[in-house]
Amino acid sequence: GENVEQHPSTLSVQEGDSAVIKCTYSDSASNYFPWYKQELGKRPQLIIDIRSNVGEKKDQRIAVTLNKTAKHFSLHITETQPEDSAVYFCAASLFFSGGYNKLIFGAGTRLAVHP
Amino acid sequence: GAVVSQHPSWVICKSGTSVKIECRSLDFQATTMFWYRQFPKQSLMLMATSNEGSKATYEQGVEKDKFLINHASLTLSTLTVTSAHPEDSSFYICSDRSGRGGEQYFGPGTRLTVT
Repeated sequence: GENVEQHPSTLSVQEGDSAVIKCTYSDSASNYFPWYKQELGKRPQLIIDIRSNVGEKKDQRIAVTLNKTAKHFSLHITETQPEDSAVYFCAASLFFSGGYNKLIFGAGTRLAVHP
Repeated sequence: GAVVSQHPSWVICKSGTSVKIECRSLDFQATTMFWYRQFPKQSLMLMATSNEGSKATYEQGVEKDKFLINHASLTLSTLTVTSAHPEDSSFYICSDRSGRGGEQYFGPGTRLTVT
């Protein structure tokens, strides 16, 4: 089955710096890769996702890149702000007609942005 | 995606009792919903896939007789933790696939404490 590894487990940056979180997956059939942000005690929120037919996707300060050959994808946050502090989870899944299969999550990265 | 609600948001029960958690997908006909468990400072672990009108599909290592799932309508899935033990204390979160491309959106979670 699919296995997702995520690094680093903790990341501390100064406000305004960039943050990069990396994930690798094992199942070459996986074709959907979402990123979720979870604040303490709250639900995970989808912040960006990428499908295997795309190499990069941007949404304002957030971008995700995908390297299918190497089976890894990364989350990039630029101009970090204190409100970006949270736990970030990557996930991998296989799309089939009717929707996406179950998500397999990475272990999470605790990001701290210091003013 | 549609709003996903859960009830209750938190519950405390005594060891040996059963607890039912409800997950509702508002404004969306959810034929499939997912149940996750998250221990403190850990990732989301998929417990089972809930299918409307049929039996749930459980992940390896999850006891189907202990974690009863019922998905009797397109907007409601329930998880019943039977004969709860302190080690069942966790954050239980459900999700649906209400995104236009099948993206998963999560409920607010239910914090279960078994004393």
